[in-house]
Amino acid sequence: GAGVSQTPSNKVTEKGKYVELRCDPISGHTALYWYRQSLGQGPEFLIYFQGTGAADDSGLPNDRFFAVRPEGSVSTLKIQRTERGDSAVYLCASSLSQGSDTQYFGPGTRLTVL
Amino acid sequence: KQEVTQIPAALSVPEGENLVLNCSFTDSAIYNLQWFRQDPGKGLTSLLLIQSSQREQTSGRLNASLDKSSGRSTLYIAASQPGDSATYLCAVSDSWGKLQFGAGTQVVVTP
Repeated sequence: GAGVSQTPSNKVTEKGKYVELRCDPISGHTALYWYRQSLGQGPEFLIYFQGTGAADDSGLPNDRFFAVRPEGSVSTLKIQRTERGDSAVYLCASSLSQGSDTQYFGPGTRLTVL
Repeated sequence: KQEVTQIPAALSVPEGENLVLNCSFTDSAIYNLQWFRQDPGKGLTSLLLIQSSQREQTSGRLNASLDKSSGRSTLYIAASQPGDSATYLCAVSDSWGKLQFGAGTQVVVTP
């Protein structure tokens, strides 16, 4: 079956602009996670959804970052007033349910803020 | 605060040798531990998941052990091949599935 997909694969934007990154999880997976990976580092947790609700958003760096999952499937990560420090690869993962299940990762969106 | 460390940061071995990758974590209250592989410019592929109650998991040439009380996991890859060249990441999970990753070990297997 289809894996986790993310669009766009690459996004170049100018400082101060607004961007949206999309994640399509594996069908039937109720848990969805966003991570951010900087060069040479492991991914860092941003936010976790169980169904439609954000169960844990403790990793969002500040209030410029927001994510939604209105129907419990597709999720969108939204970044306002982008800064150069936001440049990174944004990864999405889904799992059948929370906790003990394997997480399946998408290919990521590489965001570059000029 | 949980910290995950992977040693070494990079490793180069000739084809056929066994690989040993180490992961340590500071807080033993984990739900599970996962090992991932990441190829350049790609997402992560899950290799093995060890529940906190387990001591090891095996899949083909891969074997991962977990010693929760000492905060350590080791990934063994037997008879390495050039196709095993990648970055290997370990991550510990809480009960929500939130993963905390190490920085990874970059592996090069030379023919």
